[in-house]
Amino acid sequence: RKEVEQDPGPFNVPEGATVAFNCTYSNSASQSFFWYRQDCRKEPKLLMSVYSSGNEDGRFTAQLNRASQYISLLIRDSKLSDSATYLCAGTSSSNTGKLIFGQGTTLQVKP
Amino acid sequence: EADIYQTPRYLVIGTGKKITLECSQTMGHDKMYWYQQDPGMELHLIHYSYGVNSTEKGDLSSESTVSRIRTEHFPLTLESARPSHTSQYLCASSDPGQGNTGELFFGEGSRLTVL
Repeated sequence: RKEVEQDPGPFNVPEGATVAFNCTYSNSASQSFFWYRQDCRKEPKLLMSVYSSGNEDGRFTAQLNRASQYISLLIRDSKLSDSATYLCAGTSSSNTGKLIFGQGTTLQVKP
Repeated sequence: EADIYQTPRYLVIGTGKKITLECSQTMGHDKMYWYQQDPGMELHLIHYSYGVNSTEKGDLSSESTVSRIRTEHFPLTLESARPSHTSQYLCASSDPGQGNTGELFFGEGSRLTVL
């Protein structure tokens, strides 16, 4: 079983839609979680960190559910520019700063 | 913008050749990483370093080697390239000031094709 799992999609949504991605992790010792955005043939860039209390940054909301071992990303009012692959990442069990990435979920926002 | 640079961006090379992928960062980060990513697949950690003269193998076995002689420089070497090494290689660094976790800053990647 992969340590971090995501539905690869693609998720095809119209502009203005609300879309949510989930990511599950198997290692209960993982301490910190992140969402990265990766555009086609580009490097990943940090979108937001994920906290147990949930955090919001504009149209984006991330939440962590430790009991069920999943994290989520909610995008409201989708824009064409949101089209990308969203990578979920968690720290490894040794908490040495290594990040384990999921496969990524591809989002296509259509006009 | 992150100050982490990789060269070459693209490399097409024949089987058996020795290659070195360069990675440099000017942020003074102690921690550096090499990830390998195939199209549509997740990033796999192949090497990491916590500082000068520190190198460790990652979670995915790789025939490549790395060195960390200077803080800012973390090159990856393949002694004898094979078609199975065809992939994108992403270098990253992180800020120790954020403890054991923190944002990873990625280079633009080196896309290697071995014929």
